[in-house]
Amino acid sequence: DSGVTQTPKHLITATGQRVTLRCSPRSGDLSVYWYQQSLDQGLQFLIQYYNGEERAKGNILERFSAQQFPDLHSELNLSSLELGDSALYFCASSPRGTRQETQYFGPGTRLLVL
Amino acid sequence: GESVGLHLPTLSVQEGDNSIINCAYSNSASDYFIWYKQESGKGPQFIIDIRSNMDKRQGQRVTVLLNKTVKHLSLQIAATQPGDSAVYFCAEKLSGQNFVFGPGTRLSVLP
Repeated sequence: DSGVTQTPKHLITATGQRVTLRCSPRSGDLSVYWYQQSLDQGLQFLIQYYNGEERAKGNILERFSAQQFPDLHSELNLSSLELGDSALYFCASSPRGTRQETQYFGPGTRLLVL
Repeated sequence: GESVGLHLPTLSVQEGDNSIINCAYSNSASDYFIWYKQESGKGPQFIIDIRSNMDKRQGQRVTVLLNKTVKHLSLQIAATQPGDSAVYFCAEKLSGQNFVFGPGTRLSVLP
């Protein structure tokens, strides 16, 4: 158990809908990262937040957005869902200090868009 | 759990043998690299990391080798055990905190 929690574990929805995925980082970690893992694209970095502010952006679609709240939990919002958005979505957090780059991954949310 | 990357390259090794998993990275300016292990139905788990000012780093039963000349990274697992069966990813750090992950290699340990 990495200490990172994600909810829900599974999510089934329809095209055009909007969903919110939630992540709680490890206690004391300020950074939260979101990744998408699909069969054909592998693990893709989406976005990073540090202490409530966006720090880095990867291959995140405009239909997707994220935020990190004062209590450091983060949410990833996916809207106008398409079949191709079906994937595993992982959240990771990293510690303060010199080990900031080590990322601890949550168990993931499996999203299925029908 | 469901498999990730059904068409990943697969390395099959006999239990007790050493495993070597290879990874080619893309950016010569990358200065930090990580190996992750992902078991079926779970998130990636940190194994070992290495900075670009080193060419070798050892952990418990694992060694990472970095060859910057050819942009190649390898993970060596000594005395491979059934619990080592998983998909292994290398990741390189680009600018800031943007990490790029390799496609992964599935390690299968034979009894």
